[in-house]
Amino acid sequence: KAGVTQTPRYLIKTRGQQVTLSCSPISGHRSVSWYQQTPGQGLQFLFEYFSETQRNKGNFPGRFSGRQFSNSRSEMNVSTLELGDSALYLCASSLAGAPRQETQYFGPGTRLLVL
Amino acid sequence: GNSVTQMEGPVTLSEEAFLTINCTYTATGYPSLFWYVQYPGEGLQLLLKATKADDKGSNKGFEATYRKETTSFHLEKGSVQVSDSAVYFCALKLLDGNKLVFGAGTILRVKS
Repeated sequence: KAGVTQTPRYLIKTRGQQVTLSCSPISGHRSVSWYQQTPGQGLQFLFEYFSETQRNKGNFPGRFSGRQFSNSRSEMNVSTLELGDSALYLCASSLAGAPRQETQYFGPGTRLLVL
Repeated sequence: GNSVTQMEGPVTLSEEAFLTINCTYTATGYPSLFWYVQYPGEGLQLLLKATKADDKGSNKGFEATYRKETTSFHLEKGSVQVSDSAVYFCALKLLDGNKLVFGAGTILRVKS
């Protein structure tokens, strides 16, 4: 079974631009979560989508948004990029997401550099 | 709130040494606990997990026991290899939403 895939793997943008990142979950998984990883803040939860609905949201500004499609693929968008948005963005998928013992499986990440 | 505290690194060991990485947590409910590993340039891989008190998770020679009385989930391995060099993250997950709360990560370096 193929793992979680993320595209693109690397991205360079300039301040003020916007960016869209894509995530394809493991087949059969309906929950997709996004995390931001930076050296200063570590791994922080952005949001989670299940059945095309945002079910949970972290403490990030409204410039960060996402969506999920009927095939469970998800995209996240960052508008008006700032230097501090430079990070590794990780996507994780799980079957249903609700049971606390359920495992999230992570993709390789998209590394975003904002200049 | 919910949080995870890991021992600071980097931890530098010689090959075949014993490894312990400490992890303690604070949670408002009854969490599941996880250890993830991140190799250079890659995403996170699940190493092991435990879902209730006194459960022991194990994988690839690594073990961790869910200790509710001490709110801890320390990672151990009897004999580390150079290939174990990576960053190790302890994390918790509660029932309220599919959200992992991570510790800061511990860098492990194993020398031959």
